[in-house]
Amino acid sequence: GQNIDQPTEMTATEGAIVQINCTYQTSGFNGLFWYQQHAGEAPTFLSYNVLDGLEEKGRFSSFLSRSKGYSYLLLKELQMKDSASYLCAVMDSNYQLIWGAGTKLIIKP
Amino acid sequence: IAGITQAPTSQILAAGRRMTLRCTQDMRHNAMYWYRQDLGLGLRLIHYSNTAGTTGKGEVPDGYSVSRANTDDFPLTLASAVPSQTSVYFCASSAGRGGNNEQFFGPGTRLTVL
Repeated sequence: GQNIDQPTEMTATEGAIVQINCTYQTSGFNGLFWYQQHAGEAPTFLSYNVLDGLEEKGRFSSFLSRSKGYSYLLLKELQMKDSASYLCAVMDSNYQLIWGAGTKLIIKP
Repeated sequence: IAGITQAPTSQILAAGRRMTLRCTQDMRHNAMYWYRQDLGLGLRLIHYSNTAGTTGKGEVPDGYSVSRANTDDFPLTLASAVPSQTSVYFCASSAGRGGNNEQFFGPGTRLTVL
């Protein structure tokens, strides 16, 4: 079966750095997405990785290792507004997104 | 309209009733999707459409039907609602179906079936 694993909840301090991990087992691989979802709102796109390595976009970076079935999202200089759920999703061989349950990130002052 | 809209925002429905959730996008995207989101689970694909006039089944299609008569609209119908269909429903669209085509999401419809 297809499976995406990520921690249920993480806590971090304002101004710090946090790394959210995602491991996956899917039927084929056509890229990995990270989305941010604030409570009661729709998911919004953060990043896309299809090749191994690190993609940096401002305070957010995303890393992929296809051989390990592993990705992480790195958030730097945390702000209170970063409190949200972070969703990892993998596009399988049928170009269907398989979603993890999300990691709820709590930022404390 | 800017982006993707859904209606209604929320609905309480008696079991056995028929219900259509509406979704409209103005981005001229080819692909559209319906997901449900339940606590503790990832988003699950119900149905999708690669382009106007075509539809396909996702992971959890039973009890739901869709149509795609034109590019902009992608309604989701529950023929006879059951309590297990209580969920938050998101419509999404993307320019294409594969690769780095990010999906844009509507604000969601919160549906409660009693």
